[in-house]
Amino acid sequence: GAVVSQHPSWVICKSGTSVKIECRSLDFQATTMFWYRQFPKQSLMLMATSNEGSKATYEQGVEKDKFLINHASLTLSTLTVTSAHPEDSSFYICSARTTSGSPNEQFFGPGTRLTVL
Amino acid sequence: GNSVTQMEGPVTLSEEAFLTINCTYTATGYPSLFWYVQYPGEGLQLLLKATKADDKGSNKGFEATYRKETTSFHLEKGSVQVSDSAVYFCALKTSYDKVIFGPGTSLSVIP
Repeated sequence: GAVVSQHPSWVICKSGTSVKIECRSLDFQATTMFWYRQFPKQSLMLMATSNEGSKATYEQGVEKDKFLINHASLTLSTLTVTSAHPEDSSFYICSARTTSGSPNEQFFGPGTRLTVL
Repeated sequence: GNSVTQMEGPVTLSEEAFLTINCTYTATGYPSLFWYVQYPGEGLQLLLKATKADDKGSNKGFEATYRKETTSFHLEKGSVQVSDSAVYFCALKTSYDKVIFGPGTSLSVIP
């Protein structure tokens, strides 16, 4: 149980286009999802916290107009990278927190590798 | 503020060697502590966790004890295997539910 999926697993896009990444909790409901970014051979940096039905809370230094987050249901959150540029190339990982069972544990998705040409 | 420090890698060990990856933290209050593992090209998997002082987390032969007096959560394994080659992240979770990761330690186990 407690599986989180991401789609797509990798994506290549042209500079200036927008890319949407989905994060789904497959077998549980998640009121809160988190989006992280990981640069090559570096640690994960929290970008934003997404609560179902409300606006996301962004970490300092993260452009909310560039990284649009929508958490429309208890099983789905999306991250849209708008007007992507090569510096946005990274590994994006989401996590979801359960609403029951082990509320203190976050379950991580497999990540989405974004390459902007 | 809250932060996590890990020993720098990469760490290279021979199969069946003893592994220690040091982790220390700075936090207000009483955070939960975690070790996550990331295999090449994959996302993070929770390896083990401890939620209060003196708790020992264990899984797949790995162990770590929550030491409040030394603010440490060192990861150990008595005999590593090639399949343990991965990047290991120490992390803490604050009372606001944010997970803060250490920089990660890359482990390579050679036959």
